[in-house]
Amino acid sequence: AQSVTQPDIHITVSEGASLELRCNYSYGATPYLFWYVQSPGQGLQLLLKYFSGDTLVQGIKGFEAEFKRSQSSFNLRKPSVHWSDAAEYFCAVGAFILTGGGNKLTFGTGTQLKVEL
Amino acid sequence: EPEVTQTPSHQVTQMGQEVILRCVPISNHLYFYWYRQILGQKVEFLVSFYNNEISEKSEIFDDQFSVERPDGSNFTLKIRSTKLEDSAMYFCASSERRGDQPQHFGDGTRLSIL
Repeated sequence: AQSVTQPDIHITVSEGASLELRCNYSYGATPYLFWYVQSPGQGLQLLLKYFSGDTLVQGIKGFEAEFKRSQSSFNLRKPSVHWSDAAEYFCAVGAFILTGGGNKLTFGTGTQLKVEL
Repeated sequence: EPEVTQTPSHQVTQMGQEVILRCVPISNHLYFYWYRQILGQKVEFLVSFYNNEISEKSEIFDDQFSVERPDGSNFTLKIRSTKLEDSAMYFCASSERRGDQPQHFGDGTRLSIL
């Protein structure tokens, strides 16, 4: 069964500093990988996805992530954090559903990002 | 941009009562999902639905749970006899025709069981 580990529960960075959120996954085949962001009281917004091809993927709001198969990682990065980036970030791996298609997402426990002004 | 909408945003129900959570997926999407997030815990998969039937369900999704697409736009989750441990945020999601498309989530329904 697939699993996702986000080792950092809380991260605090200063506004303008760079950011890297760690994600490690376990999955038997080539994974579909996602990063979602959740602001308080809001749903999950897709930041970026990796299905295949270029291992460095660009997303919305200036985020990027790099898929490293050898390390089973899909870390999220941003060169310069803005105060509005404060939120909870979830990494997820998608397992293809054989009967009927679609994907079953398995989420990590999330990383709460605090941005200091 | 089209979005998934969920109603109500907050539902308070007595233990043992039935509750129906409603979702309107994005109109051209064909795959539908329910997830839940118990306070302080990770988001967990409940069920996926395609072509008017369940394609996969988790062990959480027992006989007390059911899903339905009663018309061309709504997708519902019913909990037949609620328990205290059903208190959680429930998220609906949908994705496009191809199964490898990302899922788009609604803002969730916070279910509180008293």
